[in-house]
Amino acid sequence: DTEVTQTPKHLVMGMTNKKSLKCEQHMGHRAMYWYKQKAKKPPELMFVYSYEKLSINESVPSRFSPECPNSSLLNLHLHALQPEDSALYLCASSQDGTGNSPLHFGNGTRLTVT
Amino acid sequence: TQLLEQSPQFLSIQEGENLTVYCNSSSVFSSLQWYRQEPGEGPVLLVTVVTGGEVKKLKRLTFQFGDARKDSSLHITAAQPGDTGLYLCAGMNSGYSTLTFGKGTMLLVSP
Repeated sequence: DTEVTQTPKHLVMGMTNKKSLKCEQHMGHRAMYWYKQKAKKPPELMFVYSYEKLSINESVPSRFSPECPNSSLLNLHLHALQPEDSALYLCASSQDGTGNSPLHFGNGTRLTVT
Repeated sequence: TQLLEQSPQFLSIQEGENLTVYCNSSSVFSSLQWYRQEPGEGPVLLVTVVTGGEVKKLKRLTFQFGDARKDSSLHITAAQPGDTGLYLCAGMNSGYSTLTFGKGTMLLVSP
């Protein structure tokens, strides 16, 4: 079992829906990440939160809105998505945001946009 | 932009065979990590290599970091069906604060 928990595991949403993805870790890690992964491709970084502050936004469209309510939780709010946004969305955490500590990934949310 | 090239992109072998996956870059990395991702799951860290020339072993898996810290290899001895998955290398450069992932090697080991 992974120590990073993501919910829901699967999500189907229409292009006009608003939904949220949730991620939780209790390892005391101070950096949390959102990645997007298409089939058989590597994860692509979307956002990094370090000490609960957004430190990196990899030019992600505004229809994706991250939120870090506290050091253990990370949300990704979705609104007006496109079918091409369908992918596996992975949350990860690490001890700090320097990138030198390894990433602990959740098992992802499989998102389908219809 | 840092790039990590992995080869091969796809490998299908029989149980018991040996294989090597390569991860190459023109950039120097302060550390390099290898992950394995099984279907329906997130990537799981296998190893981190930090020192040029370093060799680490994890049961039947042997990881090597190049002397110049620009490349790495993963060698699997006597592959088993349970080794099936997407193998990802990811490098960290001290001038950046995030990992650069390679494109991955999809390994299929058939019984």
